[in-house]
Amino acid sequence: DAGVIQSPRHEVTEMGQEVTLRCKPISGHNSLFWYRQTMMRGLELLIYFNNNVPIDDSGMPEDRFSAKMPNASFSTLKIQPSEPRDSAVYFCASSWYGGYTFGSGTRLTVV
Amino acid sequence: GEDVEQSLFLSVREGDSSVINCTYTDSSSTYLYWYKQEPGAGLQLLTYIFSNMDMKQDQRLTVLLNKKDKHLSLRIADTQTGDSAIYFCAESGSGGGADGLTFGKGTHLIIQP
Repeated sequence: DAGVIQSPRHEVTEMGQEVTLRCKPISGHNSLFWYRQTMMRGLELLIYFNNNVPIDDSGMPEDRFSAKMPNASFSTLKIQPSEPRDSAVYFCASSWYGGYTFGSGTRLTVV
Repeated sequence: GEDVEQSLFLSVREGDSSVINCTYTDSSSTYLYWYKQEPGAGLQLLTYIFSNMDMKQDQRLTVLLNKKDKHLSLRIADTQTGDSAIYFCAESGSGGGADGLTFGKGTHLIIQP
């Protein structure tokens, strides 16, 4: 298995632009999580899905952030419009009843 | 809410043992985890311990859990330069991780030659 695959690995965008981060979970995993990592706040859970259904999005910082999981093999995290304070590393993780696997992350820089 | 605390840095000499400590607040946590993050990489699960255990050993790694004090530690024996990384403690909450993990801010392990 190739593990959790995230794309792109790096994204540099201008303030105000839309950014879409992508994640392919491990086949057969029933849960998917989006985390954000910054120096100041560490790792924060943004949203998670069980069986493709969003369960808790209370960690999403603002309405500018949205996430979808249209099927069991794909999820997106969208920021529109992006702001410099959104600069961070965004991780996707998938899980089978608590056994987590993380992707390599997307480093987002908003200038 | 739940909170996980770790010291930010630990410096050890190559060949010595490293002990990374963590405290957590959610006494109902089912599992406690240690993850390793190397520069530019994702989080790699090192080991985990079930809350009804007080010790787990896996090769050079020893995890100790003091549930009464809500204290978790990771001991790395014979620390090598390849162990240089950020180590994250995480707790699962009562849901066993089904609703996400709560992470500490990570301990940077620095290896001196």
